[in-house]
Amino acid sequence: DQQVKQNSPSLSVQEGRISILNCDYTNSMFDYFLWYKKYPAEGPTFLISISSIKDKNEDGRFTVFLNKSAKHLSLHIVPSQPGDSAVYFCAASRGNFGNEKLTFGTGTRLTIIP
Amino acid sequence: ETGVTQTPRHLVMGMTNKKSLKCEQHLGHNAMYWYKQSAKKPLELMFVYSLEERVENNSVPSRFSPECPNSSHLFLHLHTLQPEDSALYLCASSRGGSTNEKLFFGSGTQLSVL
Repeated sequence: DQQVKQNSPSLSVQEGRISILNCDYTNSMFDYFLWYKKYPAEGPTFLISISSIKDKNEDGRFTVFLNKSAKHLSLHIVPSQPGDSAVYFCAASRGNFGNEKLTFGTGTRLTIIP
Repeated sequence: ETGVTQTPRHLVMGMTNKKSLKCEQHLGHNAMYWYKQSAKKPLELMFVYSLEERVENNSVPSRFSPECPNSSHLFLHLHTLQPEDSALYLCASSRGGSTNEKLFFGSGTQLSVL
């Protein structure tokens, strides 16, 4: 049973527009959420995170929103740039158990159309 | 050289072969991880080492044998693998010792078992 779900395997967005990537989770014990970005032939790299005590975290063009009641988080990228084309993984952890319990989603492939 | 380095980048092996994957981190981290990424599946945590001691073994078959001789190096020894073990194997590291740490990943070894 997948505890972290990314239901859209792929997404295409015009350059300059907003990209919204979604992630749902089922385990109410998760209290820390991360987004990783992966280019082909490279390992995932950390992008942005959010603790369950917040509902929004912003870092430049990237903003993560957390809706605890809906067990849903989303990553907004605005404006989208061609270099944002990559696979984005959502991950969640139970903070008290440390990073060892990071659970990943299956990823969403984002393509930015010039 | 900085970051997390994995060798080899690609590996093709028969089911009767014995091979090893190598990971080296130059970040001064104390925790190292092996993840498996199969097509259309989430990243699966295989093993965690913290200060060279194995702290997590996620029900991984014994044909996968990890080794952590020091905090900078991590190996994954492979023997009598099955075709379904073909996947991308990712090494990661983190500072260790506190919760909600971000992982730093290597580029992975793409393994094909024939």
